[in-house]
Amino acid sequence: KNQVEQSPQSLIILEGKNCTLQCNYTVSPFSNLRWYKQDTGRGPVSLTIMTFSENTKSNGRYTATLDADTKQSSLHITASQLSDSASYICVVKVPGYSSASKIIFGSGTRLSIRP
Amino acid sequence: NAGVTQTPKFQVLKTGQSMTLQCAQDMNHEYMSWYRQDPGMGLRLIHYSVGAGITDQGEVPNGYNVSRSTTEDFPLRLLSAAPSQTSVYFCASSPDRAEGYGYTFGSGTRLTVV
Repeated sequence: KNQVEQSPQSLIILEGKNCTLQCNYTVSPFSNLRWYKQDTGRGPVSLTIMTFSENTKSNGRYTATLDADTKQSSLHITASQLSDSASYICVVKVPGYSSASKIIFGSGTRLSIRP
Repeated sequence: NAGVTQTPKFQVLKTGQSMTLQCAQDMNHEYMSWYRQDPGMGLRLIHYSVGAGITDQGEVPNGYNVSRSTTEDFPLRLLSAAPSQTSVYFCASSPDRAEGYGYTFGSGTRLTVV
């Protein structure tokens, strides 16, 4: 069964520190992998997208990496800010389908930044 | 502001009641979908639409109906609410049905069925 597993489930760090969130997937092959940020009470917002041929993608203080061989992706947040407190969701798209039914969401990592 | 608008933001229903969750987008997106989000689980697809007049079932369609009479609107109907339908519901849209673009999500409807 195609799955997307994220770790840790939750994480607390001090403001200004760096952190790395993990995403392991069993989908193979895949079209692309996205990271979304979901603030409390809001819908997810796309941060980065990578195809299978890309190794890294940055969006400001957010850097996503992808290792297609080990089927792992990570999201690294540099110099964390209080506004980074949110859930981060890894999403994998299965190729060959035109419908959303083949987009698989991870359950997310809840990140809390403490002052 | 352009985007996906969901109403209501909160709703409490009694078991057996029916209701419609509204979703509207003003970006002329072809693709719209409904997801539910439950604690500890990833978003799960309920129904989706690839254009006006076309809808299809997702992963967890039982107990829900949809219609797409216009490009802008994609309402989700709960036929007879059950406690298992307590969840946060998100509507999302995309300019195409493929993977080239991400989704724009609404801010969600938190539904409690008692």
